[in-house]
Amino acid sequence: DTEVTQTPKHLVMGMTNKKSLKCEQHMGHRAMYWYKQKAKKPPELMFVYSYEKLSINESVPSRFSPECPNSSLLNLHLHALQPEDSALYLCASSLLYSQGENEQFFGPGTRLTVL
Amino acid sequence: SQQGEEDPQALSIQEGENATMNCSYKTSINNLQWYRQNSGRGLVHLILIRSNEREKHSGRLRVTLDTSKKSSSLLITASRAADTASYFCATALANQAGTALIFGKGTTLSVSS
Repeated sequence: DTEVTQTPKHLVMGMTNKKSLKCEQHMGHRAMYWYKQKAKKPPELMFVYSYEKLSINESVPSRFSPECPNSSLLNLHLHALQPEDSALYLCASSLLYSQGENEQFFGPGTRLTVL
Repeated sequence: SQQGEEDPQALSIQEGENATMNCSYKTSINNLQWYRQNSGRGLVHLILIRSNEREKHSGRLRVTLDTSKKSSSLLITASRAADTASYFCATALANQAGTALIFGKGTTLSVSS
């Protein structure tokens, strides 16, 4: 299985809602990533998990809360988001988090709209 | 700030023609990778070239790397309509135990039949 899955595919939420994005891979990868991508822009790194531990938090607002319950799962909990947080949220994984040697496998993304 | 900058920003060609995209970066790298993204979808890894390599091929793809000029190019030969997508270069910064990729702004390629 060489696939990264993300659910849901689309999400519309109000600014007072709490929701979660889910990402799953069964390739035995030990590094997982969250990216945010606005229209016609490149992906921007949000978080990196290596061996289920948070390795990088790119100064992301606390209304985004990542969680890595096990080596196959990555969640992104959302609370009190702003309309400017509307974007495509991409999850990726790689074999290891080591000097970028490993290619990253991306999921199809969750299209988030904040009203 | 972003590490990679691609040019052109947009490229339109006919099927069968070759497409060349360029990427420039600012600091030393361990490797440079190219990814493709179809509209609104996830990215797909195309090719990785290490800092000690100058050229690499994969099918219809040819990537070059010039570390002295801090630049790379991606050539797609005999393009097809299915090659229509956005292409991003991504750099992995050198001298860090664990590094994330930094993506360039991307080139949008349109191939018409």
